Amino acid sequence: GDSVTQTEGPVTLSEGTSLTVNCSYETKQYPTLFWYVQYPGEGPQLLFKVPKANEKGSNRGFEATYNKEATSFHLQKASVQESDSAVYYCALRLMSNYNVLYFGSGTKLTVEP
Amino acid sequence: GGIITQTPKFLIGQEGQKLTLKCQQNFNHDTMYWYRQDSGKGLRLIYYSITENDLQKGDLSEGYDASREKKSSFSLTVTSAQKNEMAVFLCASSIAHYSNERLFFGHGTKLSVL
Repeated sequence: GDSVTQTEGPVTLSEGTSLTVNCSYETKQYPTLFWYVQYPGEGPQLLFKVPKANEKGSNRGFEATYNKEATSFHLQKASVQESDSAVYYCALRLMSNYNVLYFGSGTKLTVEP
Repeated sequence: GGIITQTPKFLIGQEGQKLTLKCQQNFNHDTMYWYRQDSGKGLRLIYYSITENDLQKGDLSEGYDASREKKSSFSLTVTSAQKNEMAVFLCASSIAHYSNERLFFGHGTKLSVL
């Protein structure tokens, strides 16, 4: 079936270090890929989307490249800040039902000063 | 801008009890969703509705009912609460279109069953 699998958490980093959260997907269709972020006490919100293969999405210093060959969409940031502490979800949407978003299991990031 | 309001924020129930969660949105969005959030399992879709009076089952619909009587509101009922169940239920809305950019989420209802 259609699914997304991402880095098991939690992840703890020191401020200024780099972040990679792995996300892989499985589908026979052609997906649109998303990263969502959820800050404490809030609902998830869109970080960015990448609709096309081999393109990159980015926002707030985070970026991810849609690698169709590897079926991956890893989230990266060169230098994390304490304010980046949150849960990160990758998600995919299929054209066969564009109303539904399939989310990964989430990766909780804690950034220590 | 708009907002999604979920009520109540916290819900404590007894085993076997029927519990109802409510969600209101003022985005004038067509589609509304209920997701369940469990630690380590991410967000799992329970029900969604693409218009008033429409209901579509998600992967986790067993044990739940939903109702969309108005475009702006979407309620979820836990038909029989399970002992020691603890989860956060998230409501979301979006436009119903293939170019749909995003889901907008509420802050959640946290359920605890004694």
